Amino acid sequence: NAGVMQNPRHLVRRRGQEARLRCSPVKGHSHVYWYRQLPEEGLKFMVYLQKENIIDESGMPKERFSAEFPKEGPSILRIQQVVRGDSAAYFCASSPGYRDEQYFGPGTRLTVT
Amino acid sequence: DQQVKQNSPSLSVQEGRISILNCDYTNSMFDYFLWYKKYPAEGPTFLISISSIKDKNEDGRFTVFLNKSAKHLSLHIVPSQPGDSAVYFCAASEPLSGTYKYIFGTGTRLKVLA
Repeated sequence: NAGVMQNPRHLVRRRGQEARLRCSPVKGHSHVYWYRQLPEEGLKFMVYLQKENIIDESGMPKERFSAEFPKEGPSILRIQQVVRGDSAAYFCASSPGYRDEQYFGPGTRLTVT
Repeated sequence: DQQVKQNSPSLSVQEGRISILNCDYTNSMFDYFLWYKKYPAEGPTFLISISSIKDKNEDGRFTVFLNKSAKHLSLHIVPSQPGDSAVYFCAASEPLSGTYKYIFGTGTRLKVLA
């Protein structure tokens, strides 16, 4: 009974490159959330998706960041033209319904050099 | 604007004693609260939750208390065990947002001393 899977676990990118973070939710979960944790801070909501739909992207920076959750395959968080300030741990969470507890993956630690 | 605050960044407790972790919030529309535990290099793990219609919820060694008038909740762990050493985050969700996204506090690092 696999939990939320994220890959890669660690990602190093140079400034200006693209970062793609993948999240496979718990089997049967159709709600996916992305959070970002900066050093010494709590987790900050970025985006909430259901299959093929972005429901709430109020926490997503307006530029360079995008997310998708296609009908088939994992959810993807994409960061274009990364900058040093994007270095953080990115966590994905899934839930079976919009009011249910969210189950978190192990996170992807992005380092921008 | 930090809507969920955990003012104690760290706490040390002797094994077998009670650990009390505190959390304050500012948004009176929050109606659901949760506690997560996080070990290094892992994702947060759900511990316990409480709805705003209750003032207490218990699960084994963990009890969460909610004081709506004070906009305060606390997590009690008794007895504390060395394996409880982790960072604890409280989180809240607001129905008016329509998405039940979680607003997290900054965490309290608990160290249980053997």
